[in-house]
Amino acid sequence: TQLLEQSPQFLSIQEGENLTVYCNSSSVFSSLQWYRQEPGEGPVLLVTVVTGGEVKKLKRLTFQFGDARKDSSLHITAAQTGDTGLYLCAGTDYNQGGKLIFGQGTELSVKP
Amino acid sequence: KAGVTQTPRYLIKTRGQQVTLSCSPISGHRSVSWYQQTPGQGLQFLFEYFSETQRNKGNFPGRFSGRQFSNSRSEMNVSTLELGDSALYLCASSRGTEAFFGQGTRLTVV
Repeated sequence: TQLLEQSPQFLSIQEGENLTVYCNSSSVFSSLQWYRQEPGEGPVLLVTVVTGGEVKKLKRLTFQFGDARKDSSLHITAAQTGDTGLYLCAGTDYNQGGKLIFGQGTELSVKP
Repeated sequence: KAGVTQTPRYLIKTRGQQVTLSCSPISGHRSVSWYQQTPGQGLQFLFEYFSETQRNKGNFPGRFSGRQFSNSRSEMNVSTLELGDSALYLCASSRGTEAFFGQGTRLTVV
């Protein structure tokens, strides 16, 4: 069974600060996705990384896939209050019939 | 293009009752997955349906069941509700590895 571990679980920062969230596994994933979820809503797909070493940017958000495709990171530059939410990484576990598994999530709170 | 639609958004049920939740996937998506989300356990996979067949199942008791219709719409049913079933139930449709979620159904069991 493949597992995804996210760190930190909780993060509280001031507006304007930078932060990095990590998603790690002992297994190789063919791709990883990052989602953002607001309270009472469903997760929204932010990005998919596929190639080892790949870096993708989405405005102030930078996503990186590890060279060995076992880990990923999300870096937010100059965080804003609107970035507050639950950030989830997810990957397809082909050992379990191809189901999408999720990390436990990182709860980010950006204070004004 | 319409997104994933889940109904109802909110539901309050009594212990012992049963409940049916509905999910309409994005047009053209044949795979529908269901997840239970609670503060302590995070997103837990319930089951996945593809072309009316259950393709994958998580570690939930038999009280949790689902089905998919020929138009890809899916329903999940929980019988003999327990207090611990209170959660946000999320449906996701996919065509490939990326999942697109509905807004969820917030179920409260009292």
